[in-house]
Amino acid sequence: EVQLVESGGGVVQPGGSLRLSCGVSGFTLSSYWMHWVRQGPGRGLVWLSRIYDSTTYADAVKGRFTISRDNAKNTVYLQLSSLTVEDTAVYYCVRGDPGYGVFQLWGQGTLVTVSS
Amino acid sequence: QSALTQPASVSGSPGQSITISCTGTSSDVGGFDYVSWFQQHPGKAPKLMIYEVAKWPSGVSNRFSGSKSGNTASLTISGLQADDEADYYCTSFTTSSTWVFGGGTKLTVL
Repeated sequence: EVQLVESGGGVVQPGGSLRLSCGVSGFTLSSYWMHWVRQGPGRGLVWLSRIYDSTTYADAVKGRFTISRDNAKNTVYLQLSSLTVEDTAVYYCVRGDPGYGVFQLWGQGTLVTVSS
Repeated sequence: QSALTQPASVSGSPGQSITISCTGTSSDVGGFDYVSWFQQHPGKAPKLMIYEVAKWPSGVSNRFSGSKSGNTASLTISGLQADDEADYYCTSFTTSSTWVFGGGTKLTVL
């Protein structure tokens, strides 16, 4: 079955770090652009980062978040650091199909709560 | 990377048509034919409804259609159904090789 499964969310204190994982199955990870998108409680979607042969980041997270992938483990990662309460959100892993913005496959999301 | 501008809410009666706008700049919506639209029901992951301005992913009803003029893209839903009630988001590729989403529009089916 083609799917994305995120994990690694939880409660973290301000200033802390967390690593999110996105396990992929049913397709070859190395053939696709992979993205992370988040959604704060009651708020809209925010694009964060993309990886393929290179990486790009939204200005809001550049320097604090790092995207990476391990094709052998079929996993994409998002390292979060210097977290603030504004980073509290559901984090989604998304596959980018051929084209730009063809975000057809989404994971179920993992909740990150930044709180003291 | 300012969010694209969408109306906060729209509404319509069953069977009617509604249009949701998505306004950006020449650095995003106006610069590329890479606008996508997503439907999100409460507690669910977003679902791709339109990509590259006006293309349908497999399995999406042709009651949903997309268009673009200048820096504004639009999603039109015809023959409104109760299940269309959801939040809708647009997104566009940008000149920074990033993506930007709109703030979202809540569609209410009266």
